[in-house]
Formats: sequence, C-alpha cells, structure tokens
Amino acid sequence: AQSVTQLGSHVSVSEGALVLLRCNYSSSVPPYLFWYVQYPNQGLQLLLKYTSAATLVKGINGFEAEFKKSETSFHLTKPSAHMSDAAEYFCAVSAVGNTDKLIFGTGTRLQVFP
Amino acid sequence: EADIYQTPRYLVIGTGKKITLECSQTMGHDKMYWYQQDPGMELHLIHYSYGVNSTEKGDLSSESTVSRIRTEHFPLTLESARPSHTSQYLCASSYRGLEKLFFGSGTQLSVL
Repeated sequence: AQSVTQLGSHVSVSEGALVLLRCNYSSSVPPYLFWYVQYPNQGLQLLLKYTSAATLVKGINGFEAEFKKSETSFHLTKPSAHMSDAAEYFCAVSAVGNTDKLIFGTGTRLQVFP
Repeated sequence: EADIYQTPRYLVIGTGKKITLECSQTMGHDKMYWYQQDPGMELHLIHYSYGVNSTEKGDLSSESTVSRIRTEHFPLTLESARPSHTSQYLCASSYRGLEKLFFGSGTQLSVL
C-alpha cells in the first residue's frame, strides 16, 4: 500500500521567510508525487508534480519540491513567503496498480504573518 | 482555470432526508472522482468513474451512490442522510490519466 505523511498540521512563517512543508511517502514502486494547494472556499489546485523526470520540480507561484528517493521525501519549499501563500497544502502519491487514484496526506495549513 | 462546478456549496438537512450533490464539468474530461474530506484528515476517494456508465467504489467505504449518465455530470446521492455523513465532499475530474486533477469548490454537508 502507498501512503503519505505530512509533518506538521500547521506551519507559521513571517512574510519574506523561507517556506518548508514536509512530505514523506511510502511506496513499493516508483511513485508519482504531487502537491496541491487549497485556498479558502476554493477547490484544490495543482502546484507541481513529480513523474519520474527531473528530481527538482518547479511549480506555480515560486514553489518547488525535490524528490529524494533515499529519504522517501518530497518537501515543498519557497524562498520567500508572501501573504497570498496562506492556504492549506496537500501532498499526494499515486496508488499502486491504479495511477488514476491519488492518496492524499492530511494537509498542512500555512499561515503567513506580516 | 477550472471549469468544474459543485452545488450546493453548503447544505444543512435533517436525518433521513434524501440528498443529491451535483457535480458538473465543461472540459470534456472522461475521468471523474468524489473525495470526502474531514477537518485535519486525508482526502479519501469514495467514488470514481472512467466514463459514461462507468462507476467504481473508492478506497473509503461510503453509503452514497453515484451515476454517470452524461460525460459532464457526476452526481452523488445519499438515500437517507445521517449525522455520520457530515463532511465536505469534493468532486474532481481529469484527463490523460494522473497528470492533473481539477477540483470543484466542494459541498459542505451538515446532517442534524
């Protein structure tokens, strides 16, 4: 079975500070990995995805994530936080034997203070 | 960017009522999904469809049912709502397999 663990249900940073949201996965086969963002009162939007190409993946709004097989991690980073980054972030992994089904983590709520 | 719509946005109903949550997409996507989301918990897949007349149960057991009579429409029905059904329900669609899911804004269901 596949699973995703997001460390920290809440992360708070100051505007301009580094954003680091952690995601570790478990998978018996090479995974596809995703980060989705959910702004208040909106649906989830794809931030970025790893599909076995480059290990450093760049997404929208200045976010990026690095796939590290040795650490089974796919942490999300952004060099400088902006107030508009406040949202809930979900890490997801594709399911074994059925790549059409995603398994999501519990989410991390990011707060950005001025 | 997303053209996937869910109605109603909020629904408060009494126990025993039959309800239908609507989901429509105008992108011609063949694959559609229903996820259930509780605060602080994972999104759980409860139903999915690969096309017209195709429906499958997801990983989380649910008393709800779905239908896919038209490509653009994927409604979810609860025949008799109970307080345990209180949750947020998210609809999504996709194309080209797993590259990207498009989500609706969700329906927050409260059963009293």
